[in-house]
Amino acid sequence: SQTIHQWPATLVQPVGSPLSLECTVEGTSNPNLYWYRQAAGRGLQLLFYSVGIGQISSEVPQNLSASRPQDRQFILSSKKLLLSDSGFYLCAWSGAKGEQYFGPGTRLTVT
Amino acid sequence: DQQVKQNSPSLSVQEGRISILNCDYTNSMFDYFLWYKKYPAEGPTFLISISSIKDKNEDGRFTVFLNKSAKHLSLHIVPSQPGDSAVYFCAASAWDDYKLSFGAGTTVTVRA
Repeated sequence: SQTIHQWPATLVQPVGSPLSLECTVEGTSNPNLYWYRQAAGRGLQLLFYSVGIGQISSEVPQNLSASRPQDRQFILSSKKLLLSDSGFYLCAWSGAKGEQYFGPGTRLTVT
Repeated sequence: DQQVKQNSPSLSVQEGRISILNCDYTNSMFDYFLWYKKYPAEGPTFLISISSIKDKNEDGRFTVFLNKSAKHLSLHIVPSQPGDSAVYFCAASAWDDYKLSFGAGTTVTVRA
């Protein structure tokens, strides 16, 4: 069966520091991968998606970037965090019908 | 531009009764609709979906209804249980799109 992992689970970082969040998927090949952010009390905002290694599409201009160095690995990064980057970050992969399956999430607090 | 809207931010229902969650969409290209359930500090869990060729899909206590002419769908939970207390997200996609558009969510509270 397929599983999706995210780490770390929680992270507290000062403004201006770098960020690296990692997501890996097991049990499937060449999945579409997604990064979302949920701000406090808000819905899910799609940040990036990838249909293959090295292929990244950005949905919103922001302080973040994404990379897909391996088929089942998706990384979310920032060179310098802003206070507004705080939120709950979710990675997801999509199944054959287009339904998406989410990881456990990373709670990021920028101080 | 919010293409999927959940106009009720919260819903309170008594245990054993029916919960009805509503969702409206504006994009006529959407042909696949999904509901997700989310507990605090966890990732959303896929609940049930429906394609535009159907108007109803049922899975246990969960039933989704689709009214394409009204661009409206709803999720019925019968009977509601305390473990159903969570945030529910409606989502939609078009057939040629990899992306899902999500609503803002409805927080359901099931009272004992």
